[in-house]
Amino acid sequence: AQTVTQSQPEMSVQEAETVTLSCTYDTSENNYYLFWYKQPPSRQMILVIRQEAYKQQNATENRFSVNFQKAAKSFSLKISDSQLGDTAMYFCAFMKFTGNQFYFGTGTSLTVIP
Amino acid sequence: DAMVIQNPRYQVTQFGKPVTLSCSQTLNHNVMYWYQQKSSQAPKLLFHYYDKDFNNEADTPDNFQSRRPNTSFCFLDIRSPGLGDAAMYLCATSREADGYEQYFGPGTRLTVT
Repeated sequence: AQTVTQSQPEMSVQEAETVTLSCTYDTSENNYYLFWYKQPPSRQMILVIRQEAYKQQNATENRFSVNFQKAAKSFSLKISDSQLGDTAMYFCAFMKFTGNQFYFGTGTSLTVIP
Repeated sequence: DAMVIQNPRYQVTQFGKPVTLSCSQTLNHNVMYWYQQKSSQAPKLLFHYYDKDFNNEADTPDNFQSRRPNTSFCFLDIRSPGLGDAAMYLCATSREADGYEQYFGPGTRLTVT
């Protein structure tokens, strides 16, 4: 079975600063997808960024980037120039290439402080 | 805009009274999912449909059932809700062309009285 671990239940960051959210996972699969999802308070979950395990290059989306370390099974999310709208619960998720099940971590609640 | 729609957004039911939550999508995605999310927890996958093929998670209680009459609609039936079933229920869709990125609906908040 796949497990996804987010060891930081809560984090805070000053507006305009950079913050890194950690995620580790356990799998015997070689090919898989990794995702970070954002769930703002009382709003729906949206995709922040995704990474295919076969790609060595770390994914980036504007202010969001990942540090994907396949051997270490680590997939951290860096948010640069944090904005108040980044305040949300962030979930790391894993999906095998075969099969469609998502495995979510327990989430990190991020608060951006003005 | 293409989207995932869940109705109702809030549902109150009585203990033991069957309830149905609905999800529809305009994305024409072939995979649809139902998750249960309790407060401050990760979403827990209940089951998913790959086209018409139903895939139940091993630990999903028999009390939860699902129907997918066509590509666009998927229903979650809770046959005899208990107090422990109070949660947010999330519907999501995906397709291979998007790398199975999941698109989530806004959720239905279920209260059991």
